[in-house]
Amino acid sequence: QKEVEQDPGPLSVPEGAIVSLNCTYSNSAFQYFMWYRQYSRKGPELLMYTYSSGNKEDGRFTAQVDKSSKYISLFIRDSQPSDSATYLCAMKARGGYSTLTFGKGTMLLVSP
Amino acid sequence: KAGVTQTPRYLIKTRGQQVTLSCSPISGHRSVSWYQQTPGQGLQFLFEYFSETQRNKGNFPGRFSGRQFSNSRSEMNVSTLELGDSALYLCASSLQGFGGDEQYFGPGTRLTVT
Repeated sequence: QKEVEQDPGPLSVPEGAIVSLNCTYSNSAFQYFMWYRQYSRKGPELLMYTYSSGNKEDGRFTAQVDKSSKYISLFIRDSQPSDSATYLCAMKARGGYSTLTFGKGTMLLVSP
Repeated sequence: KAGVTQTPRYLIKTRGQQVTLSCSPISGHRSVSWYQQTPGQGLQFLFEYFSETQRNKGNFPGRFSGRQFSNSRSEMNVSTLELGDSALYLCASSLQGFGGDEQYFGPGTRLTVT
């Protein structure tokens, strides 16, 4: 079993839809949870960052962490064609250095 | 504030050659991490440097090495290139690399080995 599982997609939605992206993980030591967005042929861009369990909202994006279920989610409201990208979840253990463990990414396609 | 920069952006090398990639972190960031991204394996951690010292290393062969300079700039080197080394190599920087430090990625260097 991989440490972080993420459905590769592609996930195709119409413009304006609410998008839900998810990751599950097995390592209970993970305490820091991130979502990165990666456009084709670009580096990952940090979107959301949360510590431990709970929700965090930033504009159209909401990140949720449920540590009891080892499950994290990213919601995108009012999706736009410019949101079409690959979304990567990443996690880090508390007390560790900079090592991030990534999911393989979900490709999102938002059609006009 | 300028982001993480990586040079070169693209490289084509032949099997058996060696290659050096460069990364300049965000100003004030002292931790630099390197990752390899391939379609099959996704993003995999290579190593992390802080204050010119390697603090952490992923599960890659010794052909992969790196270093960090006193200005926090970092280089990674791959010797005796293999076809399987073709990948996007990403550098990320953070303030100190501890706990909750956020990591910011550069645009990557796309290496093609023929």
